[in-house]
Amino acid sequence: SAVISQKPSRDICQRGTSLTIQCQVDSQVTMMFWYRQQPGQSLTLIATANQGSEATYESGFVIDKFPISRPNLTFSTLTVSNLSPEDSSIYLCSTTGGYTFMNTEAFFGQGTRLTVV
Amino acid sequence: GEDVEQSLFLSVREGDSSVINCTYTDSSSTYLYWYKQEPGAGLQLLTYIFSNMDMKQDQRLTVLLNKKDKHLSLRIADTQTGDSAIYFCAESISGGYQKVTFGTGTKLQVIP
Repeated sequence: SAVISQKPSRDICQRGTSLTIQCQVDSQVTMMFWYRQQPGQSLTLIATANQGSEATYESGFVIDKFPISRPNLTFSTLTVSNLSPEDSSIYLCSTTGGYTFMNTEAFFGQGTRLTVV
Repeated sequence: GEDVEQSLFLSVREGDSSVINCTYTDSSSTYLYWYKQEPGAGLQLLTYIFSNMDMKQDQRLTVLLNKKDKHLSLRIADTQTGDSAIYFCAESISGGYQKVTFGTGTKLQVIP
C-alpha cells in the first residue's frame, strides 16, 4: 500500500494569487495523479505526473494554469495559478502505487480544500 | 471513452441494508473501487474488486460484479448513521496509464 501526505489541508487565497499543493508518498511510485473535485461534484483528473517527464494534462486543463512538478519518485506538487473563485475546489493527489506498470489499487491523499475569495 | 454512472441519492433506515449501484462502460477495467467521502473529508478506499472476481466480502461490505452487464454494486449490511456519506464507484483502466475514472457519487442518508 501507499500512504500519501498532502498539504496544505485547506487554504483561503486571494484571487490572482497562486497556491502550491504538495504531495508526499511513503514509497517510490511511478505515476502520480492530480484530481479536482468541485463543490458537489465527482472527481475529475487534471493530469498525470511521471518522474522525469512533463505531466500529461487532460482535456480542459493546461500547464500554464496547473503547472506540476515531479522531481523524484516520492513527491509531486500542483500549483493552481492566477486564482479565481471558480478554482475553489478540493484538490487530491493519488497514486496507483508501485514502481512498475502493474495495475494496482489507487490511493488518495486527504485533499486540499481551496477557497478563493 | 470511460463513463461511470451512479444514482445520486439513497435513503435507508438504520439497521437496514443499503445497496448502491454503479454501471460502467469500459470492458477493459481492471480494478473497480468503492470510495467513501464524508463531509469535509478526503477519499477513503472502502474496498475494491479485481475484474476476474464476481464477489468480494469484507465484514459488513459485499461487492458484486457483473462483468457481462458492466454492473457493480456495494451492499452495506446493518447500515449505521456513521455510514452516511457520499460513495463513489470508480474504475481503473488496464494498462500503463492507470488513471481512475470516478462515478458521479451516491449520497447515502441513514435515518435513525
